[in-house]
Amino acid sequence: NAGVTQTPKFQVLKTGQSMTLQCAQDMNHEYMSWYRQDPGMGLRLIHYSVGAGITDQGEVPNGYNVSRSTTEDFPLRLLSAAPSQTSVYFCASRENTGELFFGEGSRLTVL
Amino acid sequence: AQSVTQLGSHVSVSEGALVLLRCNYSSSVPPYLFWYVQYPNQGLQLLLKYTSAATLVKGINGFEAEFKKSETSFHLTKPSAHMSDAAEYFCAVTPSGSARQLTFGSGTQLTVLP
Repeated sequence: NAGVTQTPKFQVLKTGQSMTLQCAQDMNHEYMSWYRQDPGMGLRLIHYSVGAGITDQGEVPNGYNVSRSTTEDFPLRLLSAAPSQTSVYFCASRENTGELFFGEGSRLTVL
Repeated sequence: AQSVTQLGSHVSVSEGALVLLRCNYSSSVPPYLFWYVQYPNQGLQLLLKYTSAATLVKGINGFEAEFKKSETSFHLTKPSAHMSDAAEYFCAVTPSGSARQLTFGSGTQLTVLP
């Protein structure tokens, strides 16, 4: 049971570099989302998608891009990394009752 | 709009003692409510959920929560804490019947003392 798979698990970037966090799910969920987790702030929604070809902004979208070309994949792109983007990133897919299924997280450090 | 407040960012209990983690929500429509647990260096996993059926919801690992509409609360309890319960716990809310995303509380770190 793969569920939600995120790669990479760890990444170190220099300020200004770009990268893509990959997310794939095998549960045929239409809804997928990206959160960032910072100490004392819980999880904050970055972007989400309600189906292939449809994406929308969450609470903290600045500096991030997403696309959804297939039901399975929902990559998150950092366009020009900044130290403020140092965080743990979680991808999640959602079933109809609202229950989220999370990946194991990607820990990003921006120097 | 919906929001979640978790009272107490850190809670410590002795092994075998009652665990009580507090969650209050606000929602303009009937909500679905969730408790998630996060163990160190892992993603979140669902403990239990309320989706407008029974108000007392039982979850995994002996946890349960009661939906109280009059108090807008969804507190998480476990009669007897175990060392393995040490983790961070998140309450979350979404409007029922809506495609909107979950709103999470800021989390409560549970420490279990021997």
